[in-house]
Amino acid sequence: GAVVSQHPSWVICKSGTSVKIECRSLDFQATTMFWYRQFPKQSLMLMATSNEGSKATYEQGVEKDKFLINHASLTLSTLTVTSAHPEDSSFYICSAREGRTGAFFTQYFGPGTRLLVL
Amino acid sequence: TQLLEQSPQFLSIQEGENLTVYCNSSSVFSSLQWYRQEPGEGPVLLVTVVTGGEVKKLKRLTFQFGDARKDSSLHITAAQPGDTGLYLCAGETSGSRLTFGEGTQLTVNP
Repeated sequence: GAVVSQHPSWVICKSGTSVKIECRSLDFQATTMFWYRQFPKQSLMLMATSNEGSKATYEQGVEKDKFLINHASLTLSTLTVTSAHPEDSSFYICSAREGRTGAFFTQYFGPGTRLLVL
Repeated sequence: TQLLEQSPQFLSIQEGENLTVYCNSSSVFSSLQWYRQEPGEGPVLLVTVVTGGEVKKLKRLTFQFGDARKDSSLHITAAQPGDTGLYLCAGETSGSRLTFGEGTQLTVNP
């Protein structure tokens, strides 16, 4: 199956700093990538859809100025958490959509990035 | 908002027992995926079902998509401790966006 990587795997930062998380599709081109957030013992919540070469589409309630998304190439999308606060501490997971196979697309998930804001 | 209700949320069983996890919605999905997630890792795709009434088997796991493509089930036969994990269903909506269920935390005790 296709491989998606994320970097860093975990990060600890001070309140008020910005943190950038990278999501890469290693062996396929992904025109669309997705960013999710997951709190302990909970499911994944979609934050935004990232399309290569265009602005990201954010889900309701997600601040676009707080979570900056850039999808500059077909294999890389970045999520920047600006002026991070302790409540932004979470597990951030990206996924990349592979090409259409039959009636559906397949999404492959990265290993996630654990963010802890002190 | 398209909701996907997953049940049960927690399940603790003994090795060798059978179990079923359900995902239900009032919405129709173009496809439905089942994932398994280990702590500290991303979800890993188990199966995608597309056609109403479709049944797929993956070793001891059987996945079924409802006739109306609004619900799905995952049945595990003779559960093993290695089956322990968080099982997530996700329905595909417009733009290939996935709506996830709340997840089922399965613990299989030896």
